[in-house]
Amino acid sequence: DAEITQSPRHKITETGRQVTLACHQTWNHNNMFWYRQDLGHGLRLLHYSYGVQDTNKGEVSDGYSVSRSNTEDLPLTLESAASSQTSVYFCASSESGGASYNEQFFGPGTRLTVL
Amino acid sequence: LAKTTQPISMDSYEGQEVNITCSHNNIATNDYITWYQQFPSQGPRFIIQGYKTKVTNEVASLFIPADRKSSTLSLPRVSLSDTAVYYCLVGNNDMRFGAGTRLTVKP
Repeated sequence: DAEITQSPRHKITETGRQVTLACHQTWNHNNMFWYRQDLGHGLRLLHYSYGVQDTNKGEVSDGYSVSRSNTEDLPLTLESAASSQTSVYFCASSESGGASYNEQFFGPGTRLTVL
Repeated sequence: LAKTTQPISMDSYEGQEVNITCSHNNIATNDYITWYQQFPSQGPRFIIQGYKTKVTNEVASLFIPADRKSSTLSLPRVSLSDTAVYYCLVGNNDMRFGAGTRLTVKP
């Protein structure tokens, strides 16, 4: 069955270190997204991609970057981790266009702690 | 982006029908209305989407009045496992998640 996976599921790092979170989907979806969710809050969009070599900034993008070299993967990089980036990170994917865009399939999440 | 307003929390009992209303007064002509469900420690899960009138699937119904300035998610005969946060989103290729409605189903 097609799926979307994230790794690692849990990560503890130190302030200032570079961290990369992986996201892999096997639906062959063009659209991929990264969100963060802080305790008791909704999701905030970090970055998104509509296809290979395409990346776009979301509502909260400072301190984060993404690259899209193939359809299946959209890794999220924290250039220099800060304690304010302690959060749960969700990756999602969807088909292209209109209503299909809004049906996003989410991964299980990565819980990141920055000490 | 159309802003959405929904109740912060709701309580219900097993077997009851639950209706969660979302207000979106400045919805645009090409915006869809989409609802997600999120359980603790999991990613959100798509429930239902609509543009106008009524949409029904195996999980829920979505009622949208003619002016589209609000929508109501209806969950028939809820069970304890329906306890979750429900998000209403409005948009087209530009969704934003708000704080959602925390539904608690009691025995």
